[in-house]
Amino acid sequence: DAGVTQSPTHLIKTRGQQVTLRCSPKSGHDTVSWYQQALGQGPQFIFQYYEEEERQRGNFPDRFSGHQFPNYSSELNVNALLLGDSALYLCASSWGSPLSSYNEQFFGPGTRLTVL
Amino acid sequence: SQQGEEDPQALSIQEGENATMNCSYKTSINNLQWYRQNSGRGLVHLILIRSNEREKHSGRLRVTLDTSKKSSSLLITASRAADTASYFCATASPDSGGGADGLTFGKGTHLIIQP
Repeated sequence: DAGVTQSPTHLIKTRGQQVTLRCSPKSGHDTVSWYQQALGQGPQFIFQYYEEEERQRGNFPDRFSGHQFPNYSSELNVNALLLGDSALYLCASSWGSPLSSYNEQFFGPGTRLTVL
Repeated sequence: SQQGEEDPQALSIQEGENATMNCSYKTSINNLQWYRQNSGRGLVHLILIRSNEREKHSGRLRVTLDTSKKSSSLLITASRAADTASYFCATASPDSGGGADGLTFGKGTHLIIQP
C-alpha cells in the first residue's frame, strides 16, 4: 500500500513564475491538506480539500490555490512567486472531513521549492 | 501563526538517556498530536492525545496533557541514535462552523542522540 506521494521532489523557479505541485493521498483517504514549512519552522496550514472543494483555509493569500480531482489526488498552485515562498511544501491525507484534523494525518515526503 | 511552542528548541543527550520535550499552546483544542521529522522530510505521526485524556503511552513514548495549563510533554525513554530528529506538537481545534481547523504546529524541538 503506497503512502502519500508528492511530485516533484525538488523545484527551482524564479520570482514571478507560477508553480504546480502534486499529491496523491494514501489509499482509502478522501481529504488532502497542504502545509508550507519554512526552514527552521513548523509547518503552516495552507488549505484542505474534500469532495473536490476547498473546505478550510489558513492565512495564505489568494496566490495560493488548489484543486482536488475525483480520484482524491490534489494540486497546489502558487502564482507570482516571491522569494519568501521558498519552503518545503507538505501534503497530508486523512479521512473524515470536516473533522479530519481530529485524526492522524499521513504526510508525504514534501516538495522543496526554491525561488530565485 | 503558530499556536504551539516547543521547549527546548534543541536537546542533545547520550544514547540510553531519556528525552523530555514540552509544548505549550494558546486556544482550546480537540486533541494534540506529536510528529517526528527526519532531515527536513515528511512528518511521521507518533501519538494523539484527546483533550479529555491526561496521559498516553506508545512503546517508548509517553505523552501527558494538562489542558488547565495548556501544555503537553513528550517523553522518549531509553533513547537510540535513530531517535535523532525534529519533534513537533500540533493542535487540532474546532472551527466556527462545526468542523475542524487545519493542524497548528509549533516550531519543533531538534533532538540529537549521541552514541
